[in-house]
Formats: sequence, C-alpha cells, structure tokens
Amino acid sequence: DAGVTQSPTHLIKTRGQHVTLRCSPISGHKSVSWYQQVLGQGPQFIFQYYEKEERGRGNFPDRFSARQFPNYSSELNVNALLLGDSALYLCASSSDGQETQYFGPGTRLLVL
Amino acid sequence: QKEVEQDPGPLSVPEGAIVSLNCTYSNSAFQYFMWYRQYSRKGPELLMYTYSSGNKEDGRFTAQVDKSSKYISLFIRDSQPSDSATYLCAMNRGFKTIFGAGTRLFVKA
Repeated sequence: DAGVTQSPTHLIKTRGQHVTLRCSPISGHKSVSWYQQVLGQGPQFIFQYYEKEERGRGNFPDRFSARQFPNYSSELNVNALLLGDSALYLCASSSDGQETQYFGPGTRLLVL
Repeated sequence: QKEVEQDPGPLSVPEGAIVSLNCTYSNSAFQYFMWYRQYSRKGPELLMYTYSSGNKEDGRFTAQVDKSSKYISLFIRDSQPSDSATYLCAMNRGFKTIFGAGTRLFVKA
C-alpha cells in the first residue's frame, strides 16, 4: 500500500511568485495536515483538513491557503512568496486527524 | 516559552550505547505523545506513539511519558550507526500537533 505522496519533490521560485504543492494521503485516510519545516527546526503546523473542511490553522499569514478534494488529496497554495518561505513543506495524513500522522517525503521549496 | 522544549544536541555516542532523548512540555491539554525519526532531507517517520503515562516498548525503543512532570523520553538500546538521525518529539491536542526542535543523534561505529 502506498504511503503519503507529495509533488513536486523540489521547486525553485522567485520572490513574489505563487506556488502550489500537492499531497495524496494514505488510502482510507480522510485527514491531511500541512507543515513547514525550516532547516534546524521541527515542523510547524500550517493547516489541517478533514472531510474537505478546514479543521484548524496555525500561525501563518493569509498568503497561505489550502483545500482538500473529494478524493481526500490536498493542495497547499502560497502567494507572494518571500525569501523566508524557503523550507521543506510536509504533508501528513491520518484517519481522523487526532491521532498518529504519517508523513510524506516533503517538497523542498527554495525562494530566490 | 515554547510549548514543547527539546535539546537540539548534537548528541554523539559510540555504537552499542543506550541513548536517552527527552522533551518537556508546558500544556497539560496534550493527549497523544509521539516520537519521529527524520533522516537528512526526508520526511519524519513515526517511531512510537502513546497516550498514557508509563512505558511503551517496541524492539530496541522505549517511550516513557510522565504527565505529572510534563516530561517524555525515548530510550534507544544497543544503538547502531543506522540510528544516526534527528529525533523529533511531538504532542497532539485536538487537531494540532506541536513538534519539538529535534535532537540530532550521531552513533559512531
């Protein structure tokens, strides 16, 4: 059974551009969470979606948005990219969002 | 004050040593406690998961939770060079999971 998949694996953008990151959860999982991990730090919670509804949001600006599709896959969108948005973006899936989460390999975003 | 505190290390030990990794937390609302292992440039991998005080063992790994002291630990027995990675503690309250900064572990052959 496939684990959490994310695309693309790497991405280079310039300041001011927009980016869309994609995630497919483990089959049967209905919840997807997004995290940002800056080098040398632990993952920081951005969003959680469950059954296509936003369940929670971390302390991130409105430039960050997400959605979940009927097949439970998800997209994270970041507008007006800043240099500080350079990070590893991780997607995690779980059955209901409140217990163990399983992470994908991440998308490494570099903003120049 | 951060909700979850974890010493970033690095921690260097010889092969075969017992490793002790620790986190403290400030919010008594945390319900679930996890340890993840993260290799360089990879996503975190779930190692251990528990929701009650006490010990939970899985092979060479033992997770310990002390809710009264707001303190959790991960012990690794007979450490191997392949255990060299960053270890992240994580705690869950409702939909939100909070991670520690991670401890970098090096196991020398």
